[in-house]
Amino acid sequence: SQTIHQWPATLVQPVGSPLSLECTVEGTSNPNLYWYRQAAGRGLQLLFYSVGIGQISSEVPQNLSASRPQDRQFILSSKKLLLSDSGFYLCAWSARGNSPLHFGNGTRLTVT
Amino acid sequence: DQQVKQNSPSLSVQEGRISILNCDYTNSMFDYFLWYKKYPAEGPTFLISISSIKDKNEDGRFTVFLNKSAKHLSLHIVPSQPGDSAVYFCAASARSGGSQGNLIFGKGTKLSVKP
Repeated sequence: SQTIHQWPATLVQPVGSPLSLECTVEGTSNPNLYWYRQAAGRGLQLLFYSVGIGQISSEVPQNLSASRPQDRQFILSSKKLLLSDSGFYLCAWSARGNSPLHFGNGTRLTVT
Repeated sequence: DQQVKQNSPSLSVQEGRISILNCDYTNSMFDYFLWYKKYPAEGPTFLISISSIKDKNEDGRFTVFLNKSAKHLSLHIVPSQPGDSAVYFCAASARSGGSQGNLIFGKGTKLSVKP
């Protein structure tokens, strides 16, 4: 069966520090991969999606970037965190075509 | 502009009764709709979906209704159980036109089922 791993579960970082969140998927190949963010009191906002290695699409301009160095690995990064980057970050995968997203357990990021 | 709206931030229901969660959308290109359930500190879990060619889809205690003319869908949970207490997200995507089918989520409705 397919599983998705996302870490760390919680993270507290100072303003201006770098960020690296990692997500890996097991049990499937060539998945679509996604990074979402849920800010306080808001819905889930799509940040990035990827349909293949090295292929990243950004949905909103921001202080973050994403990379997909391997088929089942998706990384969310920032060179310098801002206070507004605080939120709950969720990685997700889906099969090809239009099928439901399957989410990881998320990372709670607090930028202080 | 919000394309998917869940106008009720919270809903409280007695155990055993029906819970009805509502969702409205504005984009007429949406043709695939989903409901997700989320517990605190966890990722959302897929519950049920419906394609625009249908107006109803049922899975156990969960039924999703789609009214395309009103651009409205609802999730019915019957009977409601305390374990159903969670935040429910409505999501939609446009599958045609070569899109990736990226989901647009509502802000969620927090359901509380009281014993």
